[in-house]
Amino acid sequence: QVQLQESGPGLVKPSETLSLTCTVSGGSIISYYWSWIRQPPGKGLEWIGHIFDSGSTNYNPSLKSRVTISVDTSKNQFSLKLSSVTATDTAIYYCARRYSSSYPFDNWGQGTLVTVSS
Amino acid sequence: DIVMTQSPDSLPVSLGERATINCKSSQSVLYSSSNKNYLAWYQQKPGQPPKLLLYWASTRESGVPDRFSGSGSGTDFTLTISSLQAEDVAVYYCQQYYSTPHTFGQGTKLEIK
Repeated sequence: QVQLQESGPGLVKPSETLSLTCTVSGGSIISYYWSWIRQPPGKGLEWIGHIFDSGSTNYNPSLKSRVTISVDTSKNQFSLKLSSVTATDTAIYYCARRYSSSYPFDNWGQGTLVTVSS
Repeated sequence: DIVMTQSPDSLPVSLGERATINCKSSQSVLYSSSNKNYLAWYQQKPGQPPKLLLYWASTRESGVPDRFSGSGSGTDFTLTISSLQAEDVAVYYCQQYYSTPHTFGQGTKLEIK
């Protein structure tokens, strides 16, 4: 059973860059779509973007200017960088897998809360 | 962007009764070449990530009880729980994966009446 685990700082200062890593265990990172999704406390879900194992990416236009998603197949990890953060970026950040482009998010990490505050 | 709108926002239902949640997309999510609706339903319990229940609008994910069913096509979809159990209390989200950005409904909070 594939498991996903997010890791990274739980507190980021305004204007700085949020950096998170998702480690995939129990299976390969090859041939799947890997996404980041966030959820402000008590609110709904927002898709941030995804990466395929080849490195091709697709970002939410609302965040595109600030987002970078990368993959390290040798470590079975993919990462998120979100620059110039503000308090509105405070959220639980989830990493998730899509089996293919015709399939939704079937496997999620437990999520990690990132708070933006000075 | 495709906007997903769920109704109602909150739904109180008695144990053993039927629960129905609606989801409407601002444009069709029916993929014509496969005749499949790229619409999924998730269940989220407090402190947990969303769990995939249904995909292609009506196909149950492995291990999901058969009291959960989905219907609809094009722009209008429904999630039905045939006989509410206590463990079904959660927030339910619909999501389209027809196009990017993938978008979710605002969520429907299902509670015991």
